[in-house]
Amino acid sequence: EVQLVESGGVVVQPGGSLRLSCTASGFTFDDYTMHWVRQAPGKGLEWVSLISWDGGSTYYADSVKGRFTISRDNSKNSLYLQMNSLRSEDTALYYCAKSSTSFQLRYNWFDPWGQGTLVTVSS
Amino acid sequence: EIVLTQSPGTLSLSPGERATLSCRASQSVSSSYLAWYQQKPGQAPRLLIYGASSRATGIPDRFSGSGSGTDFTLTISRLEPEDFAVYYCQQFDVSWTFGQGTKVEIK
Repeated sequence: EVQLVESGGVVVQPGGSLRLSCTASGFTFDDYTMHWVRQAPGKGLEWVSLISWDGGSTYYADSVKGRFTISRDNSKNSLYLQMNSLRSEDTALYYCAKSSTSFQLRYNWFDPWGQGTLVTVSS
Repeated sequence: EIVLTQSPGTLSLSPGERATLSCRASQSVSSSYLAWYQQKPGQAPRLLIYGASSRATGIPDRFSGSGSGTDFTLTISRLEPEDFAVYYCQQFDVSWTFGQGTKVEIK
């Protein structure tokens, strides 16, 4: 069974930093592009970032570009999101999600998703 | 950026009724690159439909997707109690964007 488990979400002050983790199991992690998606409280879904299966390509939403960095450690089946210069509008539940198709950067839907980790940016 | 607009915002129906959810794109989307997700309170989104009309593994056949170009539809033929949830469409033709969601609630 494919499982994704996020961790690292806490309450942090505006301007602070945080690193989220996602641990994967049940599939060949280093074959798949991985994504971060967030959901502000009571709101819809917003794609945040992706990283290719080998870590060689990364993409970001304009809202986080220059502040967030996605990375992965395939030896640990782990995905990360380094979040710097946090703002109140970054408050959200952050999900990691697996791409649908191996060795494909684009044109993927997300399946499955982890349960999410909550980041709250507040003073 | 392709903007997806879902309608209605809320759909109030009774179990056994048919639900029709709409997703309209601001520009044409290849039907291969349109998906639907279901999200229940306190849970992560779950893939229902990909390629506009293909059901994901384990999804009952009362769920169906259709459409092309800028207009896509998710239909639930007969609502079961477990189907009351929020539904999102997603396009992955140009980057990845989601609609704002349609809540299907019990009337």
